[in-house]
Amino acid sequence: EAGVTQFPSHSVIEKGQTVTLRCDPISGHDNLYWYRRVMGKEIKFLLHFVKESKQDESGMPNNRFLAERTGGTYSTLKVQPAELEDSGVYFCASSVGNSYGYTFGSGTRLTVV
Amino acid sequence: EDQVTQSPEALRLQEGESSSLNCSYTVSGLRGLFWYRQDPGKGPEFLFTLYSAGEEKEKERLKATLTKKESFLHITAPKPEDSATYLCAVHTYSGNTPLVFGKGTRLSVIA
Repeated sequence: EAGVTQFPSHSVIEKGQTVTLRCDPISGHDNLYWYRRVMGKEIKFLLHFVKESKQDESGMPNNRFLAERTGGTYSTLKVQPAELEDSGVYFCASSVGNSYGYTFGSGTRLTVV
Repeated sequence: EDQVTQSPEALRLQEGESSSLNCSYTVSGLRGLFWYRQDPGKGPEFLFTLYSAGEEKEKERLKATLTKKESFLHITAPKPEDSATYLCAVHTYSGNTPLVFGKGTRLSVIA
């Protein structure tokens, strides 16, 4: 089966610009998660979708971040406007049911300059 | 606050030199502890889940164990292809955060 796909793999943008990250989960996986790792820190949870609904968005840092999941399929994470501290690697993961052995994508490395 | 600490931060081993990685946790109530492997430029890859103290899981040269305060990932006779960052994460009864990760241990196995 195809894995979790994220794109772009890398993005370099200027402070104040907008960036949209995309995640295509494994087909049939209702649960989709976004995580982020900033340099020198641990991977941290951002939010969790069950199908198209936001189950938990307690990890979203502020209202500059907006996540959507269209029709319960792919998801986008938009950062607008981007700040320097938003730089990091953004990971998406998906699972069947509420299982934590879920499958991660390779991540999008975001650099804000 | 739930916390996961991994040690050492980095470990360099000769091929065949067995060792252990440590993951200590402070949580209000543990639902499960997870080990992942991460290669450069890739996402974390699931290895094991442990649920209760005394539980052990094995996969090839890796063996994970769990106590009430920590988990160990034992690597027996490692090979260069075992080089990666190993991540520990916990799922707890407090709050809604699915997983709380440690910073990881970077393992290098030299031929």
